[in-house]
Amino acid sequence: DAKTTQPPSMDCAEGRAANLPCNHSTISGNEYVYWYRQIHSQGPQYIIHGLKNNETNEMASLIITEDRKSSTLILPHATLRDTAVYYCIVRVENNNNDMRFGAGTRLTVKP
Amino acid sequence: GAVVSQHPSRVICKSGTSVKIECRSLDFQATTMFWYRQFPKKSLMLMATSNEGSKATYEQGVEKDKFLINHASLTLSTLTVTSAHPEDSSFYICSASRGGGLYEQYFGPGTRLTVT
Repeated sequence: DAKTTQPPSMDCAEGRAANLPCNHSTISGNEYVYWYRQIHSQGPQYIIHGLKNNETNEMASLIITEDRKSSTLILPHATLRDTAVYYCIVRVENNNNDMRFGAGTRLTVKP
Repeated sequence: GAVVSQHPSRVICKSGTSVKIECRSLDFQATTMFWYRQFPKKSLMLMATSNEGSKATYEQGVEKDKFLINHASLTLSTLTVTSAHPEDSSFYICSASRGGGLYEQYFGPGTRLTVT
């Protein structure tokens, strides 16, 4: 699976949009981009995933560049409860494929 | 939907004893489940992949005789830490995929193991 690069930490003001970048310059054509987050002492929570089109759900939006070498997770109105470590993962969709976690980005939402 | 539970959430055991951790998919069937461990302030590391009805596949460096994995049904996988030692103290997390063309994985809440 392709490697991803994320900034180690970011801050965001409560109520503002949080934009979390991820570089995956070696992504293959059949690899999807997944985002998970982990709040302290809990299991990771699925947020969103996509292949090449932008995606939106009730939690977030995923913007993937046209060359697919990077993506941005957008939390439109961050709250204090969004403080967590956010992981960007690229993988081929297969039920036997695990999620390979990197270091992630520690997002701190401040009042 | 897609809820994964783990039991227990926390366990303290004495060195040399064995501990079993259960992972259940509550509202879906999971042909494949995964077991991870996470040390403080570190990322998740895959330990093994568990397929229903067959032997688990362990990652390099993970002792299969120490970390026994059983996946006897489509909704239950268990991890048994045998002859636990203090260095086995960690946060153990399982995940499961719904399958059927849906590939996102859902994670359990984790089990905090402390070996004294």
